[in-house]
Amino acid sequence: NAGVTQTPKFRVLKTGQSMTLLCAQDMNHEYMYWYRQDPGMGLRLIHYSVGEGTTAKGEVPDGYNVSRLKKQNFLLGLESAAPSQTSVYFCASTNRGNQPQHFGDGTRLSIL
Amino acid sequence: GQNIDQPTEMTATEGAIVQINCTYQTSGFNGLFWYQQHAGEAPTFLSYNVLDGLEEKGRFSSFLSRSKGYSYLLLKELQMKDSASYLCAVRGAGGSYIPTFGRGTSLIVHP
Repeated sequence: NAGVTQTPKFRVLKTGQSMTLLCAQDMNHEYMYWYRQDPGMGLRLIHYSVGEGTTAKGEVPDGYNVSRLKKQNFLLGLESAAPSQTSVYFCASTNRGNQPQHFGDGTRLSIL
Repeated sequence: GQNIDQPTEMTATEGAIVQINCTYQTSGFNGLFWYQQHAGEAPTFLSYNVLDGLEEKGRFSSFLSRSKGYSYLLLKELQMKDSASYLCAVRGAGGSYIPTFGRGTSLIVHP
């Protein structure tokens, strides 16, 4: 049982480039989330989804877009990468009720 | 909105007991989670409290007081492997199950 899988694990981009981060979960979870984690800032919510075909903005959505075309996948896109988006990105999923979030291993993204 | 406060860093000695506090101010309350995160790794679930009182799981316990907006994570018989960041997350009102995370407490365990 893989749980939550994020690809890629590492990436270096130049300013202005675009890329997509993929999150896949095999637990049939309804809810999926994208966070960024910066030193001293904790986990900040970028976007989330409450089901297939739905997305919503979190605390820090600017510069990012998301899509949830299939229940098991949640994609995070950077259209024009900026150095301020250098961070570690975590995807998480959960079901309704009192269940905890399951996190992927993270994507370490550096933008030069 | 929600505001969650945890100490930034704590140190303790192997074999000792340490208490990590979390205070919160939220619009509604639907549960509080504690996660452990080792450096360079993903957060992993430790405990969940939705009612007042103490939840015990082996060496780890978590306490909640909803009236005081307060929780703590108690770690007993500390081991070197307990050196990690501990994240408090509060789920507010509403049906979107969106937790808000505190900034985390970095625990350093010394021999």
